[in-house]
Amino acid sequence: NAGVMQNPRHLVRRRGQEARLRCSPMKGHSHVYWYRQLPEEGLKFMVYLQKENIIDESGMPKERFSAEFPKEGPSILRIQQVVRGDSAAYFCASSPDRGPTQAKNIQYFGAGTRLSVL
Amino acid sequence: GQNIDQPTEMTATEGAIVQINCTYQTSGFNGLFWYQQHAGEAPTFLSYNVLDGLEEKGRFSSFLSRSKGYSYLLLKELQMKDSASYLCAVRGRNSGYALNFGKGTSLLVTP
Repeated sequence: NAGVMQNPRHLVRRRGQEARLRCSPMKGHSHVYWYRQLPEEGLKFMVYLQKENIIDESGMPKERFSAEFPKEGPSILRIQQVVRGDSAAYFCASSPDRGPTQAKNIQYFGAGTRLSVL
Repeated sequence: GQNIDQPTEMTATEGAIVQINCTYQTSGFNGLFWYQQHAGEAPTFLSYNVLDGLEEKGRFSSFLSRSKGYSYLLLKELQMKDSASYLCAVRGRNSGYALNFGKGTSLLVTP
C-alpha cells in the first residue's frame, strides 16, 4: 500500500504565477487534509476535504487559495498570483474511511511540496 | 484557540533515554498525537493518546495527563537514526478534524 503521494516535490514560481499542488491519498482513504509549514514554524492546518466536498476550510486564506478533491483523481491545492510569502512546504495528509475510531483519527502525511516564489 | 509548547532543541547520547515534553491549552480535547519528522521528509505517525496514562510501543512511549494539559514522548535505547524533529499535535473538540501542531523539538543524538 503506497503512502500519501504528493507532487511535485519542489516547485519554483515567479510572483504572479499560479501554483498547483497535487495529493493522492493512501488507498482506502477518502479524507484529505492540507497543511502549510513556514520556516521555524509548526504545521498549520489549511483545509479538510472528503471526496467532492470541502468539510472545513477555516485555515485557508480567503483570497488566492482554493482546494478541491474530485471524484476521480488527486486532491489539488491551487494558489493563484503567488507572492513571496507563499514560499513554504505544503503537506497533505489522509485518514482512513473504515476501522476503529482511534485508527480513523490518525492522519498519514506525504513528503510535501516545497514551493519557492522568486 | 490552542497553544502548544515544546522545547526547541534537545541533545542526548546514543543508548540513553530522552523525554520530550509537550504542554497544551485547548478549548475541548479530542486527542494528542506525536509525529517524527526527518529533514525534508514526511511527518511519520508515532502515537495517539486520548485517555490519561502511558502508551508503550517498542522503544517509544507516550504519556498523557488531560487535567494538567501535559504529554511526553519517551525514547529509549536511542539510536543515531532517532535524530529528527518530534512534533506534538492536539485535536481540540471545537477544531473539527484539524490537528494543531507545536513548532517541534529538534533532537540530536550524539555518539
